[in-house]
Amino acid sequence: DVKVTQSSRYLVKRTGEKVFLECVQDMDHENMFWYRQDPGLGLRLIYFSYDVKMKEKGDIPEGYSVSREKKERFSLILESASTNQTSMYLCASSFGEEKLFFGSGTQLSVL
Amino acid sequence: GQQVMQIPQYQHVQEGEDFTTYCNSSTTLSNIQWYKQRPGGHPVFLIQLVKSGEVKKQKRLTFQFGEAKKNSSLHITATQTTDVGTYFCAGHGDSNYQLIWGAGTKLIIKP
Repeated sequence: DVKVTQSSRYLVKRTGEKVFLECVQDMDHENMFWYRQDPGLGLRLIYFSYDVKMKEKGDIPEGYSVSREKKERFSLILESASTNQTSMYLCASSFGEEKLFFGSGTQLSVL
Repeated sequence: GQQVMQIPQYQHVQEGEDFTTYCNSSTTLSNIQWYKQRPGGHPVFLIQLVKSGEVKKQKRLTFQFGEAKKNSSLHITATQTTDVGTYFCAGHGDSNYQLIWGAGTKLIIKP
């Protein structure tokens, strides 16, 4: 069974902390994505990567960075967490323009 | 930039009634994908449409892609409680990597 695994389902952090969200896929997909989902706003793309060590900004990259050192792993980093980054974070992967497979999501609360 | 508008935001139906959600893009799309997100879950791929005027069916679900490849619809016949969730459309525009997402339509079954 294909899998996209996110390291934490729930996470609580304090303002100013550095936060790492990890995502691993076992499907050998080139493309990986980080989205955040807020009520009424749908899915908003933060960053994506189409190859190892490659990254592209999405629609809302401010306050975030990413790392893709290995094909199967895509990490989202919040350099200094703020309360407006409280959200559901979803990782996804795909081949080319084919369907996205999503992880179960990480609900991050920044206090 | 490219946008996909999805309406309505919510739809309340009695069980057994039909449900339709519509997506309109500001530009031509190379394909359109549909996803379903159950409450508390993550988006799960339903279908992809690629050809102008394409119609596909999955049991009680009918998906259409417009002739100009700028609009799409999902119709559910005789809704059941298992259909509850949020339905998203997403299409590839100019970029091969980045999907443009609609904001989703939440289907609510009235008790």
